[in-house]
Amino acid sequence: DIQMTQSPSTLFASVGDRVTITCRASQSISNWLAWYQQKPGKVPKFLIYKASSLESGVPSRFSGSGSGTEFTLTISSLQPDDFATYYCQQYNSNPYTFGQGTKLEIK
Amino acid sequence: EVQLVESGGGLVQPGGSLRLSCAASGFTFSDHYMEWVRQAPGKGLEWVGRIRNKANSYNTEYAASVKGRFTISRDDSKNSLYLQMNSLKTEDTAVYYCTRYSGSYTRGLDYWGQGTLVSVSS
Repeated sequence: DIQMTQSPSTLFASVGDRVTITCRASQSISNWLAWYQQKPGKVPKFLIYKASSLESGVPSRFSGSGSGTEFTLTISSLQPDDFATYYCQQYNSNPYTFGQGTKLEIK
Repeated sequence: EVQLVESGGGLVQPGGSLRLSCAASGFTFSDHYMEWVRQAPGKGLEWVGRIRNKANSYNTEYAASVKGRFTISRDDSKNSLYLQMNSLKTEDTAVYYCTRYSGSYTRGLDYWGQGTLVSVSS
């Protein structure tokens, strides 16, 4: 099975900051990586597919990059609505594993 | 508007069974692969399994943690997805989400239901 490891587990930042979350795969997944945002008590929201393509309606301050085993999610200028937990998920091979999550908290 | 509405969750004893349902609307259900994802209280997301569409023989795939105990099925005539859970363990306690797979090009879960809570406890 492919293991997905996110870092950091928790990230403290302020409104307006640029933040980057990393997701590493235990073996190459090409660019078959998705990112999700989950706010407390809410359902996950699909943000990015194929590592770098924004889902419709997702603000352009979100961006993704990477291929192979290392990927990043960047938020260019944090907004109050962005404080949430972010998950990566690989869609290269079964089982389609998630990372453990990165909680983005207000500094 | 795409809607996924789960039902069937509840409290069950270890070793028991439960069947979750997901009613889909707002899209051509029969075209899409569908998946179940779960989230234990205070924990992260865990992929449970997938069922493909008719064109792909309704093939199923499962996480190792549930394989042999859980069965995913669908009824395209009713726009419904199911998760039959047998031999339940305490570690199966979670919110179970019904999700729509976005497709082979985009490969993600683009719509999620609100989830249904399954509690396994004696």
